[in-house]
Amino acid sequence: GNSVTQMEGPVTLSEEAFLTINCTYTATGYPSLFWYVQYPGEGLQLLLKATKADDKGSNKGFEATYRKETTSFHLEKGSVQVSDSAVYFCALSDPLSHAGNMLTFGGGTRLMVKP
Amino acid sequence: DSGVTQTPKHLITATGQRVTLRCSPRSGDLSVYWYQQSLDQGLQFLIQYYNGEERAKGNILERFSAQQFPDLHSELNLSSLELGDSALYFCASSVTQGPGETQYFGPGTRLLVL
Repeated sequence: GNSVTQMEGPVTLSEEAFLTINCTYTATGYPSLFWYVQYPGEGLQLLLKATKADDKGSNKGFEATYRKETTSFHLEKGSVQVSDSAVYFCALSDPLSHAGNMLTFGGGTRLMVKP
Repeated sequence: DSGVTQTPKHLITATGQRVTLRCSPRSGDLSVYWYQQSLDQGLQFLIQYYNGEERAKGNILERFSAQQFPDLHSELNLSSLELGDSALYFCASSVTQGPGETQYFGPGTRLLVL
């Protein structure tokens, strides 16, 4: 079946540090890949996505590139801010799975940014 | 604000009881998904409806059921509640159900079973 693995947190960084959160996946077909962010007490918000190999998703300074050869979709940001503190989820949807467009999530990575 | 609304925001109930969670999708979205977020299981897909019809089922218990009404809002019914059902329940919606389509999440309903 499909699965998503992300690095365990928490990840603690100082403001303006470089961020990488690793994400790898297993899928039967050609999935679409997503990063969602969850701020304290809120629902999930789409951060970025990529729907085919070599696509780069980007938003608010965050980037991730769909790497089919390494089955990865690592999230990066060049300079984090305190306001980026949240839980980040990597997810995939696989049109060939029995459950169509459902999202399969990784376990989430908590990011804490200190001033 | 994603445009997806969920009520109630919090729910406290006792074991053995039944509750109904409600979701209103974004205007124009035909597809509704339900997810459960718990500390031990993480985020798991429960069930999907598209334009009133069930389209996909995930790890949904037989004690749980859902439906989508003609006005496209959806309800998730949880019965014979157990302590382990305590979790955050999210609803998400998308325009259709195409590959790679973005799902927009509501703020969730936090259920506590005592």
